[in-house]
Amino acid sequence: AQKVTQAQTEISVVEKEDVTLDCVYETRDTTYYLFWYKQPPSGELVFLIRRNSFDEQNEISGRYSWNFQKSTSSFNFTITASQVVDSAVYFCALSFAASGTYKYIFGTGTRLKVLA
Amino acid sequence: NAGVTQTPKFRILKIGQSMTLQCTQDMNHNYMYWYRQDPGMGLKLIYYSVGAGITDKGEVPNGYNVSRSTTEDFPLRLELAAPSQTSVYFCASSYSWDRGPSPDTQYFGPGTRLTVL
Repeated sequence: AQKVTQAQTEISVVEKEDVTLDCVYETRDTTYYLFWYKQPPSGELVFLIRRNSFDEQNEISGRYSWNFQKSTSSFNFTITASQVVDSAVYFCALSFAASGTYKYIFGTGTRLKVLA
Repeated sequence: NAGVTQTPKFRILKIGQSMTLQCTQDMNHNYMYWYRQDPGMGLKLIYYSVGAGITDKGEVPNGYNVSRSTTEDFPLRLELAAPSQTSVYFCASSYSWDRGPSPDTQYFGPGTRLTVL
């Protein structure tokens, strides 16, 4: 089965703490793509990163970093020195080929609250 | 560029009423998508389109219809609203050379919050 699990429903941290959001996926495919999106309180979804299954290199973008480990089927997202503006719901998503097209499966999201 | 715009932002419908959710993008993207987001849940794909005149069903198409007469517009129609369609609806677009909803970066609209009573 193709599935994305974000086991952390809600996380609260104090500003400047580091926080890691977990994403575990299941797929039979060898070629697939993983995404992270941010949904701030305003409601829109903002793309953060896309990673294909052949690229296990970790990525850092400012205070954000992503750790992709195929061995554990995880694509975790870490925010370093969190800020109040990081408060949002974060979604992990999996995309894979099926019946000649690509399908998307989103996790249920993790709500991050960063307290001042 | 305005990106992806959606109207209306909010709407309350009575059971059995119909309405159209509008979505427009000005990025010349060939792919467009409609998702619904139920409370506490992730997004589920309703319909998608790979170009003008071409649409296909996603994961949860029942109760909805779409059309794509232009590159820019991708309206979503609810014919007989039901309480189960209470949700937040997101439109998204992306650009890809491939057929099907390829896993390219999707740009999302601000969403339409729909309540069916």
